[in-house]
Amino acid sequence: QLQLQESGPGLVKPSETLSLTCTVSGGSISSSSYYWGWIRQPPGKGLEWIGSIHYSGSTYYNPSLKSRVTISVDTSKNQCSLRLSSVTAADTAVYYCARQSSAGYRDRWYFDLWGRGTVVTVSS
Amino acid sequence: SYELTQPPSVSVSPGQTASITCSGDKLGDKYACWYQQKPGQSPVLVIYQDTKRPSGVPERFSGSNSGNTATLTISGTQAMDEADYFCQAWDSSTGLYVFGTGTKVTVL
Repeated sequence: QLQLQESGPGLVKPSETLSLTCTVSGGSISSSSYYWGWIRQPPGKGLEWIGSIHYSGSTYYNPSLKSRVTISVDTSKNQCSLRLSSVTAADTAVYYCARQSSAGYRDRWYFDLWGRGTVVTVSS
Repeated sequence: SYELTQPPSVSVSPGQTASITCSGDKLGDKYACWYQQKPGQSPVLVIYQDTKRPSGVPERFSGSNSGNTATLTISGTQAMDEADYFCQAWDSSTGLYVFGTGTKVTVL
């Protein structure tokens, strides 16, 4: 069955750029029916959507993070990637990759499959 | 910005019904979905588009959405249902996928 696996450094210094990769296995990232999203969860807190990408390269971002976020896709590797620049301690969180079902208009979309998440700590 | 508010905690006895609310301005005009998250695990979708259950989710999970409130109902609650639950909707004015504040369900 399809699985998502996040990977990347667990520790990032303040002001630097956080870079994570989501590898899709057991299926193709090049499906017209899905976007691939990034969501984060600070310790003991709730969920925050960061952004989503389609294999065609179409992206949507959280307006509050848009100036610092870049999400990209590499269909040859079946991966999508997240870059978050100028990080601070407030960016410390578990970062999840999730498949977003994109049938119909955007108000109908939902995250139907999640990776296990990866912990990222911002500290010097 | 659009906000979704949930009660911090809900307690329920085994076999009883748990109702978890999610409040937001005119939420009934949007589609709501719900995620279950157990400690140390990633979220799992339990309800989408207000009332639909993904394959594999037990029938005891149901959803509704009207007015300013979406509700997740767990009928015949089991110990395995103890978890955090988050609602989610899309804010058309900002394009933001918004998550609720989360509710911890305790099965006593």
